Amino acid sequence: GAVVSQHPSRVICKSGTSVKIECRSLDFQATTMFWYRQFPKKSLMLMATSNEGSKATYEQGVEKDKFLINHASLTLSTLTVTSAHPEDSSFYICSARDPYRQGIDTEAFFGQGTRLTVV
Amino acid sequence: AQSVTQPDIHITVSEGASLELRCNYSYGATPYLFWYVQSPGQGLQLLLKYFSGDTLVQGIKGFEAEFKRSQSSFNLRKPSVHWSDAAEYFCAVGAGVDSSYKLIFGSGTRLLVRP
Repeated sequence: GAVVSQHPSRVICKSGTSVKIECRSLDFQATTMFWYRQFPKKSLMLMATSNEGSKATYEQGVEKDKFLINHASLTLSTLTVTSAHPEDSSFYICSARDPYRQGIDTEAFFGQGTRLTVV
Repeated sequence: AQSVTQPDIHITVSEGASLELRCNYSYGATPYLFWYVQSPGQGLQLLLKYFSGDTLVQGIKGFEAEFKRSQSSFNLRKPSVHWSDAAEYFCAVGAGVDSSYKLIFGSGTRLLVRP
């Protein structure tokens, strides 16, 4: 299957700083990327959907000024957690999809996730 | 609104026993349905998917799932569980088209396997 690489796998940062997480599709062009947040022992909560070259669409309740998403190329999307606080500590997972080339029924491929700890 | 319900938070089965994980969905149109597995601290791996056609779909690692429209269900099954199957399992529905498409996940079921 297609490969999605997420980096870093884990990061610790100080409260008030910003952290950038990268999501790359390695062997296909991802016209759409998704960012999820997963709380301990909880499901994946969709934060936003980004289409290459367009502004991201955020789910209700997600602060767009806090979670900045950039999808400037067909292989890279970034999530920047700005002015991070301990409550932002979580597991963040990206996924990528290319329905326009691979068909409407193509699956989404997931990155390995990033464990963010804000101290 | 679209939603996915996995009523079992965790299930424990003995190695070699059969397994069924429940999933119910709510979606107005014909759904795209998925089962993913997540090992601790890892991303998600697709086990199987249903888009159309045969309602019994086969996946990797010996898993299968059956789409039952009348029950709005997509239960995951395996005839004989292995210790390596212990993980978190997520059912998901794909909703929307084109740029509005998104995956909505259930709350997950943690599978524990007794030796």
